[in-house]
Amino acid sequence: DAGVIQSPRHEVTEMGQEVTLRCKPISGHNSLFWYRQTMMRGLELLIYFNNNVPIDDSGMPEDRFSAKMPNASFSTLKIQPSEPRDSAVYFCASSLSWGGPGETQYFGPGTRLLVL
Amino acid sequence: GEDVEQSLFLSVREGDSSVINCTYTDSSSTYLYWYKQEPGAGLQLLTYIFSNMDMKQDQRLTVLLNKKDKHLSLRIADTQTGDSAIYFCAEKGTGGFKTIFGAGTRLFVKA
Repeated sequence: DAGVIQSPRHEVTEMGQEVTLRCKPISGHNSLFWYRQTMMRGLELLIYFNNNVPIDDSGMPEDRFSAKMPNASFSTLKIQPSEPRDSAVYFCASSLSWGGPGETQYFGPGTRLLVL
Repeated sequence: GEDVEQSLFLSVREGDSSVINCTYTDSSSTYLYWYKQEPGAGLQLLTYIFSNMDMKQDQRLTVLLNKKDKHLSLRIADTQTGDSAIYFCAEKGTGGFKTIFGAGTRLFVKA
């Protein structure tokens, strides 16, 4: 398996523009997580899905952020409009829930977002 | 709520042992994990331990769990420069989807 795939790997945009981050989880995994990592705040869970349904979006910073999972193999995280303080590394992770060690999360390589 | 705390930095000399410590608050934790993040990469699972175990050894890695004190540690024997990374402690409770991560300990290995 190729692992969790994220695109783009790097994104530079201007304040006010829409940004869409994409994630393809590991085939067969039924939980998907979006995280944001910054030096100041560390690793923050934004939202997670189970069987394509959002379970907890309490970590989403504000209404400018939205996430969708239209099917088991694809998810998007959208920021509209983007602001400089959104600059961070955004990770997607997937797991097979309700297993033992299978509940381990597998992380993608991240998308490095810079908002100017 | 649930919380995981760990020190932010650790510096050791090559060949020495490294010990990274972590405390957690959720007494219902069933799985406790150590993840490693190398520069420019995502987190990768290093090892995990079930809450009914006290110790787990995996080559150079030793995980110790003190459930009474809610304390988890990761010992890396014969630390190498390639072990320089951020190490995240994480815990997961029963019946939940969420894994709670600590802030990460940045390990510096001096040659």
